Amino acid sequence: EAQVTQNPRYLITVTGKKLTVTCSQNMNHEYMSWYRQDPGLGLRQIYYSMNVEVTDKGDVPEGYKVSRKEKRNFPLILESPSPNQTSLYFCASSYRQGYEQYFGPGTRLTVT
Amino acid sequence: LAKTTQPISMDSYEGQEVNITCSHNNIATNDYITWYQQFPSQGPRFIIQGYKTKVTNEVASLFIPADRKSSTLSLPRVSLSDTAVYYCLVGDRGGQGGKLIFGQGTELSVKP
Repeated sequence: EAQVTQNPRYLITVTGKKLTVTCSQNMNHEYMSWYRQDPGLGLRQIYYSMNVEVTDKGDVPEGYKVSRKEKRNFPLILESPSPNQTSLYFCASSYRQGYEQYFGPGTRLTVT
Repeated sequence: LAKTTQPISMDSYEGQEVNITCSHNNIATNDYITWYQQFPSQGPRFIIQGYKTKVTNEVASLFIPADRKSSTLSLPRVSLSDTAVYYCLVGDRGGQGGKLIFGQGTELSVKP
């Protein structure tokens, strides 16, 4: 089954404790992206990757890191999480940029 | 990147046709228009994509006038299960730019 998976689905952590949210797709897609969604603010792009080893900033990259060492995986790293990063996070992938995106189920992160 | 503007919310009744218009005055020559549907706490789901004139699939139609400065998503005979947030997205497909900006979305409420 074609899908995008994210782990964990729910995470409660404390300020400053490094964490990684994994994202994996099994569709051999070139393009992958991370979004955060907050009430009243819609979906905002954090980082995207056009292909392996090619990543770039989206609209709200501050406080986040990403890497794309393999085509299928695109982890999101929070080196020192802060409460303002409490949000719902979605990973997505598509054949190439601008094509139909497939979204993961979301990761609800709470930073206390 | 072209910014999109949509109504914040719309109400409808079961069985009616719903038209949601998105304004994108600064759309570029290579940009495509894409619509997504999102239910609470789920990732967005692709509905339809188009470049010009009219595109139709099994769930919706997309109307794009000649100047491409706006587009209209048409949902025929909506049901309660169509209650969701609908996002319009404009972006270069397969080009060099990977950044994507979602608008605020339109919250559609379908009543019995």
